Amino acid sequence: SQQGEEDPQALSIQEGENATMNCSYKTSINNLQWYRQNSGRGLVHLILIRSNEREKHSGRLRVTLDTSKKSSSLLITASRAADTASYFCATADRSGSARQLTFGSGTQLTVLP
Amino acid sequence: EAGVTQFPSHSVIEKGQTVTLRCDPISGHDNLYWYRRVMGKEIKFLLHFVKESKQDESGMPNNRFLAERTGGTYSTLKVQPAELEDSGVYFCASSHPTGSSYNEQFFGPGTRLTVL
Repeated sequence: SQQGEEDPQALSIQEGENATMNCSYKTSINNLQWYRQNSGRGLVHLILIRSNEREKHSGRLRVTLDTSKKSSSLLITASRAADTASYFCATADRSGSARQLTFGSGTQLTVLP
Repeated sequence: EAGVTQFPSHSVIEKGQTVTLRCDPISGHDNLYWYRRVMGKEIKFLLHFVKESKQDESGMPNNRFLAERTGGTYSTLKVQPAELEDSGVYFCASSHPTGSSYNEQFFGPGTRLTVL
C-alpha cells in the first residue's frame, strides 16, 4: 500500500458545508504538507505542519497531525464552489531536510453550488 | 516574486520521438525537484538537484530519462526515446536553500505529455 493514502477518494458536498479529508502514512516524518490541484493546473501549497505540531490553522483550513497514529486530516470550513479540486497530502521523511515528498493518491472534492 | 514556470504546458509526440521539458525554479532556490503523475496514479518523485548537482535520482524510471541543471538555474528533463507509458503530467518544484529544514516546495503548473 502507499505512503500518504488519502480517504475518501472522492467527496461531494454542498456549498457552505465543511469538508474533511484524511491522510495516513507509514514512515517517520519531518513534516506533512497539503496541496490542492485545480483541474489542469499545477499544485498549490496549502499548509505545512511539522512533526512536533498537532494542529495548524490557515484561514478556512484546519490541519491536524497525529504522529502516534501516523495520520493527518484537512478540514475546509464553509466550503465554496471554488474549493472544488483534488487535494493531496505529502510527507517529507525524517531523515533530513530538502528531501523528496511522497504523495498520496488524493481526494477529489466537489463543492456543489 | 515569479513562481516556478514550466515549458511547454502541453506536448504531444509519437512513440520513439524525443521531448525536452524545461523548468525555471524560483530565483534563489537551490533545490529543484522533478515529479510526475502518470495514468491518474500518485505523484511520484523523479529526482532532486541541489544547485547543479544531482542529490537524489532514485525515482528516475530508466535511462531514457536524462535531467540536467547546468549552472544551477533552470533544469531540463529529456525523454529519449519516448514510450507510451511516459504519458502523464511532469511537475517541477523548487525550495529554499538547503538548511531550511521544513522543505516547503513550490510547484510549477506542470507539463502534460502525451505519447501516441
